[in-house]
Amino acid sequence: RKEVEQDPGPFNVPEGATVAFNCTYSNSASQSFFWYRQDCRKEPKLLMSVYSSGNEDGRFTAQLNRASQYISLLIRDSKLSDSATYLCVVRLNDYKLSFGAGTTVTVRA
Amino acid sequence: DAGVIQSPRHEVTEMGQEVTLRCKPISGHDYLFWYRQTMMRGLELLIYFNNNVPIDDSGMPEDRFSAKMPNASFSTLKIQPSEPRDSAVYFCASRSGTGVWELFFGEGSRLTVL
Repeated sequence: RKEVEQDPGPFNVPEGATVAFNCTYSNSASQSFFWYRQDCRKEPKLLMSVYSSGNEDGRFTAQLNRASQYISLLIRDSKLSDSATYLCVVRLNDYKLSFGAGTTVTVRA
Repeated sequence: DAGVIQSPRHEVTEMGQEVTLRCKPISGHDYLFWYRQTMMRGLELLIYFNNNVPIDDSGMPEDRFSAKMPNASFSTLKIQPSEPRDSAVYFCASRSGTGVWELFFGEGSRLTVL
């Protein structure tokens, strides 16, 4: 079983729509959680950390459910520039991050 | 501020040749990581260094792969001999030992082994 599993998508949404997707992780001892964004043929960049109580960063909302071991990301009022692959990332210990394969989002005009 | 710098950005080589990828981490970062990304396997951690010392190389696929960090501002990943299945994007990343747990990635080295 993979450590982090994501729906690969793609999610094709019109501008202004809301899109949401999840990932699940297998290790209940995972310490912290993140969403990274990767544009086509670019490097991954941190989008946001995910906190136990849930958190927002502008149009982005992240949720964590430790009991069910899943993390979600919701994007409101989608922009064309939100088109990217979103990587669910779990920190297993002091040094190791485990990356999901990514969920591709395409926002169309 | 300069980010993580990798070279070369693209490398095309023939099977059996030696490949050397280079990385300059962000100044002051204590940790350096080498990742490989393919469509099939996603992002995989190959090796990481803390204060120039290799800590965990369990992700290195086989003896053909080696990595060094001779000083705080430079690291290399070497593949010898290269094989077509080594074709991938190799990312170097660094992070600070304090504060927010965030990895900063270089732009990657896209390797094609023919």
